Amino acid sequence: EDQVTQSPEALRLQEGESSSLNCSYTVSGLRGLFWYRQDPGKGPEFLFTLYSAGEEKEKERLKATLTKKESFLHITAPKPEDSATYLCAVQSVRDDKIIFGKGTRLHILP
Amino acid sequence: ETGVTQSPTHLIKTRGQQVTLRCSSQSGHNTVSWYQQALGQGPQFIFQYYREEENGRGNFPPRFSGLQFPNYSSELNVNALELDDSALYLCASSLPQNYGYTFGSGTRLTVV
Repeated sequence: EDQVTQSPEALRLQEGESSSLNCSYTVSGLRGLFWYRQDPGKGPEFLFTLYSAGEEKEKERLKATLTKKESFLHITAPKPEDSATYLCAVQSVRDDKIIFGKGTRLHILP
Repeated sequence: ETGVTQSPTHLIKTRGQQVTLRCSSQSGHNTVSWYQQALGQGPQFIFQYYREEENGRGNFPPRFSGLQFPNYSSELNVNALELDDSALYLCASSLPQNYGYTFGSGTRLTVV
């Protein structure tokens, strides 16, 4: 069964304090791994898609990396507006459905 | 290019009632998926429709059903509502075999 586990569940950082969020996954043939950002009461907002081990993607202060077993979302010098829940999800080659982890709630203190 | 639109944004229903939630897909997207997101949890896959046919379903009972229309808009119907059905219901659209979904803002359902 496809599974996604995210850690930590919650993370509080000072503004400017860099850190990484982890996403461990088990999937029978990876089609894609996704990172989404979700603000309270809103739908997930797409950030990145990674397709194969060794791939990296960057957007502003965020950088996503992928290995065969896990993905990391690195946040460099975060700002308070980066506070949100970050969701990791995988899509297998068997079907189109996307399986999500429970997310990491990130809070950046000014 | 319009995004994914869901209605209503909020809804309160009584246990045992039935509810219909609606979703308009992003222009050109013919695949729609529905997710249930309980508070503090990740979205859970309910089912997916492609060209008006259900082509994938998660671990949800038959009282959760759906429809997709020729214009690719979609409905999620839930019968015999239970208190545990209280959640944010998310609709997402995509192209088949495409990578990633575009999500709507969701419908917050509260069952009392």
